[in-house]
Amino acid sequence: GAGVSQSPSNKVTEKGKDVELRCDPISGHTALYWYRQSLGQGLEFLIYFQGNSAPDKSGLPSDRFSAERTGGSVSTLTIQRTQQEDSAVYLCASSAIGGGLNEQFFGPGTRLTVL
Amino acid sequence: GEDVEQSLFLSVREGDSSVINCTYTDSSSTYLYWYKQEPGAGLQLLTYIFSNMDMKQDQRLTVLLNKKDKHLSLRIADTQTGDSAIYFCAENYGGATNKLIFGTGTLLAVQP
Repeated sequence: GAGVSQSPSNKVTEKGKDVELRCDPISGHTALYWYRQSLGQGLEFLIYFQGNSAPDKSGLPSDRFSAERTGGSVSTLTIQRTQQEDSAVYLCASSAIGGGLNEQFFGPGTRLTVL
Repeated sequence: GEDVEQSLFLSVREGDSSVINCTYTDSSSTYLYWYKQEPGAGLQLLTYIFSNMDMKQDQRLTVLLNKKDKHLSLRIADTQTGDSAIYFCAENYGGATNKLIFGTGTLLAVQP
């Protein structure tokens, strides 16, 4: 595709439910990132995938958060037992390489609301 | 720590210059970035500067880097209403990961 796509664009869920957020990176991009954007908090790094290397999960806020990237392309971010503080916009980005300038191309985000 | 700090809000009149400031933390960052987020749109890379440079000019944009003070600024000359957006500075946090640490963002409001 022409850019990074994410689905759904909006998700409303009840506290305690699990949610899955999907990211389709730009074709051929080997690096994929997840960020969370909360009001007044800027962008918070969550997790990074680069090729077949082990992902950098250092930004995941708790063990309720997990992500996988199948076949080196599509990624899914899963939040189990959602809490109200998980409400945020979840952004995915991809880049062609994992080093150098590392221009990251962002998707439009998924707005998650936990009631 | 990894905090990148920015002021939250800046208001200017159309035609004036805007200066958005940022303080970063990692002196080993090789690149520093400015991203722009327009209403309803995703983030886009606006400009960047390599860490061995003091200044970079790109049309109406001027980026200044003070490595000693870990201070980065973005100047927009002749600010237009279309420049209204949230501007994020970011540093690439050292090591192989190349994860970006973003600031909290500065909302630039341009008054006609």
